[in-house]
Amino acid sequence: AQKVTQAQTEISVVEKEDVTLDCVYETRDTTYYLFWYKQPPSGELVFLIRRNSFDEQNEISGRYSWNFQKSTSSFNFTITASQVVDSAVYFCALKLNRDDKIIFGKGTRLHILP
Amino acid sequence: DAGVTQSPTHLIKTRGQHVTLRCSPISGHKSVSWYQQVLGQGPQFIFQYYEKEERGRGNFPDRFSARQFPNYSSELNVNALLLGDSALYLCASSRGIGTDFNYGYTFGSGTRLTVV
Repeated sequence: AQKVTQAQTEISVVEKEDVTLDCVYETRDTTYYLFWYKQPPSGELVFLIRRNSFDEQNEISGRYSWNFQKSTSSFNFTITASQVVDSAVYFCALKLNRDDKIIFGKGTRLHILP
Repeated sequence: DAGVTQSPTHLIKTRGQHVTLRCSPISGHKSVSWYQQVLGQGPQFIFQYYEKEERGRGNFPDRFSARQFPNYSSELNVNALLLGDSALYLCASSRGIGTDFNYGYTFGSGTRLTVV
C-alpha cells in the first residue's frame, strides 16, 4: 500500500529561523512522483515542487530547498530565513506512475512568529 | 488565463439533502479530478474524469457520483448528506493523463461544504 507520513503536525518558529518539514513515503513501485504543496488559509493548494523517482538531485529555489533520499524514502523540505508569509499548511504527496491519483500526507501546519 | 474555478465557494446543507458542486477546468484541460479534504487532514482522491469517462475512483460510498460534460466541466454530486461529508472539496484539472498529468496539474480554491 502507498502512504505518506508527515510526523510533524504543527511547528512554530520565529521569523528568520530555518525550518525543515519532514516527509516519509511508502511504495513498492519503482516509478513515482513526489510533490510538495502549500495551502494558505484561502484553501487553494499551491504547487511548490515535483520530483520523479529517478531524480535524486536536491533542488533549491530561492529560500526553499528539497532533499530527496530514496534510501530512507524521505523527501524533506527546508525553508531558509523563514518569513511570516510562509505560515501555512504544507502537504507532501505521492503519485504512482500507473495512475493519476495523488496521495497526500496529513500536512504540517507551520507558524512563523514575528 | 482563468484558473480552475469552482462554485459555489461555500454552502450549508442539512443532513439527508443532496448537493451538487461544480468545476470549470483551465481552458484546454480535458481531465478533472475531485478531492475531499476534511478539516485537519490531507485531501483524499474521489474521482478522475478524462474525456467524459471515469478514469479512477477512490474509496468513497456510492452516495458520491460525478460526471464530466462535453465542455470538460464537471459536477460532483453527493446524496443523503451526512455530517461527516462536511469538508473542503477540491477540483483539479490537467491537460491530459499520464505524462500530461504529471507536468500540468492545477487545483481550484475549493467549495467548503458544511452539513448541519
